[in-house]
Amino acid sequence: EVQLVESGGALVQPGGSLRLSCVASGFTFSNYGINWVRQAPGQGLEWVSSIDGSSVIILHADCVKGRFTISRDNAKNSVFLQMDSLRAEDTALYYCARGPFHNLDVWGQGTTVTVSS
Amino acid sequence: QSVLTQPPSVSAAPGQKISISCSGSTSDIGRNYVSWYQHLPGTAPKLLIYENNKRPSGIPDRFSGSKSGTSATLGITGLQTGDEGDYYCGAWDTSLSGGRFGGGTKLTVL
Repeated sequence: EVQLVESGGALVQPGGSLRLSCVASGFTFSNYGINWVRQAPGQGLEWVSSIDGSSVIILHADCVKGRFTISRDNAKNSVFLQMDSLRAEDTALYYCARGPFHNLDVWGQGTTVTVSS
Repeated sequence: QSVLTQPPSVSAAPGQKISISCSGSTSDIGRNYVSWYQHLPGTAPKLLIYENNKRPSGIPDRFSGSKSGTSATLGITGLQTGDEGDYYCGAWDTSLSGGRFGGGTKLTVL
C-alpha cells in the first residue's frame, strides 16, 4: 500500500525548534518529490516546502524561508522538515504529500505542531 | 493570505449539481496546471482533479475540472451527503516559486 506517515509534532515554546519526519512506503521513493502542507486551526491549506527526488530543487514559502529547512534521506524513505525559530503562527496540522504541486496524489494523516508558552 | 480566490461556501440538495470557481492570475493559473482537493472532516486531503481536468484512478466521473485563462472550475454532479466538506484549488505560482491554494469552499448538501 502506498503510504506516507508523519511524526514529530509537539507542543513547543516560541523560538523553539522541532523536526518533523515523513516516512514513505509502497513506492519507489526517490522517484517522487515531497511537499509539506499545513493547515492552521480554522484556516485553509497552505504550502510550506517542497523537495524533488534528488534533493536538487528545494523550495520554501516566504513565510518560513530562513527558519524551516526541508531535506530527505532516500535510503530511509524519509523527508524531514527542520523548523527553527518557531512562532505562534506556525501552529498547524502539518501534512506531507507526494508529487509535484499540481498532482499531490498521496497525503499522510498529518502531525500537529503547537507553538505556545 | 490566499492568492487564489474561491467562494466561501456553496450548497445544494442531494442529486443536484454545483460548480466551484477558482480565480487567480497570469503567474499561477494562467501559466500552470490547476488541481482540486477534497478535505472531509477528520481525514487527509484527497486529490480529485489534476492537470486541470484529469481524474485520478478511483475518482468518479461526477467530478470534473476545467480551466480558462486565469480561472478554473470544479463541477460536481449527483451530489451526495458524503460529498460534504471543504474543497480547495491549487496552482503553482511561477513568479513566487511557490504553491498556492485557494481559501477553500465549504460544500453543504442540504
